[in-house]
Amino acid sequence: NAGVTQTPKFQVLKTGQSMTLQCAQDMNHNSMYWYRQDPGMGLRLIYYSASEGTTDKGEVPNGYNVSRLNKREFSLRLESAAPSQTSVYFCASSDVSQGFYGYTFGSGTRLTVV
Amino acid sequence: KQEVTQIPAALSVPEGENLVLNCSFTDSAIYNLQWFRQDPGKGLTSLLLIQSSQREQTSGRLNASLDKSSGRSTLYIAASQPGDSATYLCAVSHSNAGNNRKLIWGLGTSLAVNP
Repeated sequence: NAGVTQTPKFQVLKTGQSMTLQCAQDMNHNSMYWYRQDPGMGLRLIYYSASEGTTDKGEVPNGYNVSRLNKREFSLRLESAAPSQTSVYFCASSDVSQGFYGYTFGSGTRLTVV
Repeated sequence: KQEVTQIPAALSVPEGENLVLNCSFTDSAIYNLQWFRQDPGKGLTSLLLIQSSQREQTSGRLNASLDKSSGRSTLYIAASQPGDSATYLCAVSHSNAGNNRKLIWGLGTSLAVNP
């Protein structure tokens, strides 16, 4: 049971480059999320998708775009990377429809923008 | 605006000790509260989830309590072991968050259990 799988695990980008972080879950969860984690700031929500076909902004959406490709996959795209986007990115999923509201997290992507 | 605070920021204890981690929140209108564990360089693992109507949840050596009226939760770890060393994070969801139940996070307590 893989849970939530994120790729890549590590990435170094130059300022202005673009990249897509991939996330897939195999638990048939409806909701998926992208967070970033920075020292002293805690986890902050970038974007979320309550269900397939919908996406909404979180606390810190600027500089990012997302795609809910299907129920399993939720990708995060940086169109023009900036040093301020250096962070650890986590994808998560949850399912409220079955009475369980817990979250499952991926192992994270450590991104450095130079 | 909901704010979640965890005290202490760091804790070091000898193996075998019982310990309590604290989490406080400013808005008592929460839907649920969750405790997570994060190991260095790893993702987060959900430990316990307490619905707003519940007072506590237990899993093995872990017991989490919730007092909505005072805006507090505690995570009790019995007979601590070196393998318990990790950062423990508390997160709450708003009661009006709709179907997505977005989480508001504390900064965590970094726990070191020394052999």
